[in-house]
Amino acid sequence: EAGVVQSPRYKIIEKKQPVAFWCNPISGHNTLYWYLQNLGQGPELLIRYENEEAVDDSQLPKDRFSAERLKGVDSTLKIQPAELGDSAVYLCASSPGTGWNEGEQFFGPGTRLTVL
Amino acid sequence: AQSVSQHNHHVILSEAASLELGCNYSYGGTVNLFWYVQYPGQHLQLLLKYFSGDPLVKGIKGFEAEFIKSKFSFNLRKPSVQWSDTAEYFCAGFWNTGKLIFGQGTTLQVKP
Repeated sequence: EAGVVQSPRYKIIEKKQPVAFWCNPISGHNTLYWYLQNLGQGPELLIRYENEEAVDDSQLPKDRFSAERLKGVDSTLKIQPAELGDSAVYLCASSPGTGWNEGEQFFGPGTRLTVL
Repeated sequence: AQSVSQHNHHVILSEAASLELGCNYSYGGTVNLFWYVQYPGQHLQLLLKYFSGDPLVKGIKGFEAEFIKSKFSFNLRKPSVQWSDTAEYFCAGFWNTGKLIFGQGTTLQVKP
């Protein structure tokens, strides 16, 4: 079974430039998450999708971040414009469960973003 | 707000030593607890989980964790570590908010 796929793995951009990350979850997983992981910290949820609906985007900085999951499968996370403080690892995860079973999540390799 | 805290940020052990990594969670009602592990160059993966029932849960690679409700703790243990256990370990809690909340992580370095 293929795991969660993310691309690119690494991205270096200059501040104020836009950047986009792509995620393909495990087949059949309806719930998809985007996390932000700063160095030396645990992942923090940015947005959670159930199928194509964003059911929790309370932690997403909406002035510069946006996300979409148009057909309920792949998802894209965008930052425009990027700031120095956005340098971090962006993780995508998916879960086959709903409700209490959502805690068991499968993570992709992440995209390491460096903003210069 | 719910939270998870891990006491040890960096642990260094020799092979065959016993391991215990601390994890505490905040009260917030019913909680499911997890330990995730990230080996060097690999993605986060589930090590073990506690939903209910026997408070001593066993995971992969000889790891186990004990849920102690009175102490709000879910410590991870392994009787004898190996060099291949070198990794970053994250404790996480899942409440009815639908959000998986992670601790800060503990980096374990096992010396051969």
